[in-house]
Amino acid sequence: DAKTTQPPSMDCAEGRAANLPCNHSTISGNEYVYWYRQIHSQGPQYIIHGLKNNETNEMASLIITEDRKSSTLILPHATLRDTAVYYCIVRPPGAGNTPLVFGKGTRLSVIA
Amino acid sequence: GAGVSQSPSNKVTEKGKDVELRCDPISGHTALYWYRQSLGQGLEFLIYFQGNSAPDKSGLPSDRFSAERTGGSVSTLTIQRTQQEDSAVYLCASSLWVPRTLRSSGANVLTFGAGSRLTVL
Repeated sequence: DAKTTQPPSMDCAEGRAANLPCNHSTISGNEYVYWYRQIHSQGPQYIIHGLKNNETNEMASLIITEDRKSSTLILPHATLRDTAVYYCIVRPPGAGNTPLVFGKGTRLSVIA
Repeated sequence: GAGVSQSPSNKVTEKGKDVELRCDPISGHTALYWYRQSLGQGLEFLIYFQGNSAPDKSGLPSDRFSAERTGGSVSTLTIQRTQQEDSAVYLCASSLWVPRTLRSSGANVLTFGAGSRLTVL
């Protein structure tokens, strides 16, 4: 899987937007960007994924730069329950069901 | 079931004992994965099952670790002669099989269980 770089930690005030960056400068043309998060004492949870276009679902928005070398996960109105480690993962083409490789992620602390 | 179920949620054992951890994947999910997470560390891939294919055991840390998946559904991870360094949370995940023609869709979403916390004294 292409290497990703994320800041080790970030803080965000409750109610504000949390913008989590991910650098994937070696991404290939048809590799997808996935985001998962892991709340304390729970298993990881899928958030969103995308290829080129920006994506939005009920949990978050994913903004991918035009050159696809970086992306940002946006939680529009962060709550205390969004405190978690957020993982950015890039998947090679044809990976199918092969295992995801998790890096160290970004520890997001939402502060009241 | 509605989600991935793991048991036991907590297991305390003595060094040298064998333990078995169970995973019930989501019904219809043909891919099943085991990961472990030591305290304060990231997720470490252990083993992966896909349908009737031979499992990918490349992440197993030693021959004391083994896993099987019976009937393409429930999986059991076995750790023999446990050591203190085996203490960790063992996480199971499952996903739908992605057909070859759709592999480029990137639709590989893993659903994780809550994990089994193993403490070896």
